[in-house]
Parts: sequence; C-alpha cells; structure tokens
Amino acid sequence: EAGVTQFPSHSVIEKGQTVTLRCDPISGHDNLYWYRRVMGKEIKFLLHFVKESKQDESGMPNNRFLAERTGGTYSTLKVQPAELEDSGVYFCASSQVGGAQETQYFGPGTRLLVL
Amino acid sequence: KQEVTQIPAALSVPEGENLVLNCSFTDSAIYNLQWFRQDPGKGLTSLLLIQSSQREQTSGRLNASLDKSSGRSTLYIAASQPGDSATYLCAVQGGNTPLVFGKGTRLSVIA
Repeated sequence: EAGVTQFPSHSVIEKGQTVTLRCDPISGHDNLYWYRRVMGKEIKFLLHFVKESKQDESGMPNNRFLAERTGGTYSTLKVQPAELEDSGVYFCASSQVGGAQETQYFGPGTRLLVL
Repeated sequence: KQEVTQIPAALSVPEGENLVLNCSFTDSAIYNLQWFRQDPGKGLTSLLLIQSSQREQTSGRLNASLDKSSGRSTLYIAASQPGDSATYLCAVQGGNTPLVFGKGTRLSVIA
C-alpha cells in the first residue's frame, strides 16, 4: 500500500512568487491534514479536511494560504504571494478514522525556502 | 491553550543503554497522546498511540506511559541501537482539536 506522498520534495522561490504544494493521501483516507514546521519551532497544525470539506482551518496563518481538496482525493496548498517567514517544512498527513483511536500517517514533507 | 514540552532536546547514549524520553503537556483534557519518530529528510512515523483511558502501550523495545492527571508521558527505549537514532516527537490530541506537537528530542545512539 502506497503511503502519503507529497510533491515537490523541495521548492526554492523568491519572495512574492506563488508556490503550490500537493499531497496525495493514502487511498480511502477521508481525513487529510496539513502541518508546518518552521525552523527551530514545533510542528504546527494548519488545517483538516474531511473528504472535500474543511473541518478545521484554525491554523492557517493568513489569507495568503489557500488549501483545496477537490473531489476528496488529493489536496493542494497554495501560498500566494510567498513571504520569507513562510519558509519551512510542510507536512501532509491522512487518516481513516478520526477520534481517540486515530493514527495519522505522514508524508515526507515539502521543504520550502523563500528567498 | 495546549502546550507540549519535551525534555531533553538532545540526547547521546552508547549502544545498549536503556533510555527515557520525557513529554509534558499543560491541558490534561486529551483524547490521546502519540509518539512519533522522524528520520532526517523523512516524514513522521507513528510509534505508539495511548488513548486517554490507557496508562501505557508497548511495541517491541518501546514502552510509552501516560499519566494524564499530571500531564506527563515517557517513552522508554530498551537496549538502544544505532538504528534508533532519530528525532522523537510527542503529540497530544484533544476532543475536536488538532494534534499539538512538542519540539522533539534528537537521539543519537553511538556504536
């Protein structure tokens, strides 16, 4: 069974440019999460999809970030325009069952560097 | 607001030693606590999940305990091996709230 995949693995862009990150969850997983780790800080939650609906987007830093999950399969996270502080590692995770027994499966992350 | 702290931030031990990683959290109203492992350049791998009603979970050489009332968890690794070298992350989840992570403990096991 394929795990969670993310594309690209690395991205280097200039301030003001747009970047789109993609996440393909494990097949059949309704829950999809985005997280971010800024250098020196802990991993922080960005948002949670259940199928194609945004269940919780309380962690999204501002309106420069737009996440979509059309059709309830893969998800994209667009940053437009990118700022220096957006640099970090963006992780995607998916799970089949929510609640107390939920185990989230994480992708390898996309390393974003904004210059 | 839930906060998770992991001590120590880094740890270096000789191969074969037993070791304990610590995690503390400020809000005891949690659904579960999870320990993850992260290798350089890789994603997170779930090691153990302890539900709030449980006190410990074991998987091979790993044993995680949970004391919800005091807001503490420990990850015990027996007979450490160089392959155990990684960053270990603790995360807690509350009802209808997302995972909150600690900064992790970077473990090096020296052969």
